[in-house]
Amino acid sequence: RKEVEQDPGPFNVPEGATVAFNCTYSNSASQSFFWYRQDCRKEPKLLMSVYSSGNEDGRFTAQLNRASQYISLLIRDSKLSDSATYLCVVNSNGGSNYKLTFGKGTLLTVNP
Amino acid sequence: EAGVTQFPSHSVIEKGQTVTLRCDPISGHDNLYWYRRVMGKEIKFLLHFVKESKQDESGMPNNRFLAERTGGTYSTLKVQPAELEDSGVYFCASSPGTSGRNEQFFGPGTRLTVL
Repeated sequence: RKEVEQDPGPFNVPEGATVAFNCTYSNSASQSFFWYRQDCRKEPKLLMSVYSSGNEDGRFTAQLNRASQYISLLIRDSKLSDSATYLCVVNSNGGSNYKLTFGKGTLLTVNP
Repeated sequence: EAGVTQFPSHSVIEKGQTVTLRCDPISGHDNLYWYRRVMGKEIKFLLHFVKESKQDESGMPNNRFLAERTGGTYSTLKVQPAELEDSGVYFCASSPGTSGRNEQFFGPGTRLTVL
């Protein structure tokens, strides 16, 4: 079983749609959780950190369920500029180990 | 503020040759990481420096890979001799401070092709 698994996608949605990404992780000791965004042939960039209480940043909402080892990202009112690959990322170790473990990513295309 | 920079952006070499990738982290970031994405696979961790010390090198594939960070500033990743399966995009990232929750800022990557 992979450490971080995501919806394989791809997702094709019209502008204005709501789209949800799901992710599960296998290591129950995981400490920190993130969603990164990666545009085609570019580097990953942090979109949001994910907290246990859930957090929202404009049109983006992230949720974490530690009991189910499940992370989600919701994008409301999607824009053309949201087209990218969304990466679920977990830091599975505490202390001084900052290794990030990535999911394979889910490609989103928002169509006009 | 300048971001993480990597050199070269692309490298095409033949099997058996040596290649050295360079990463310049964001100024003041003690933590420097190397990651790799092989085609069709997820991005995978290679190693983590804190200043000039290797904190975690559990992701290094084998002893053909050598990473250094002399002086705790820029880092190099040397592959010698390169094999076909080493092809991929090598990302460097850096982060400040002493928390695993801190954002890791990624460089644009070096696309390595081994023929």
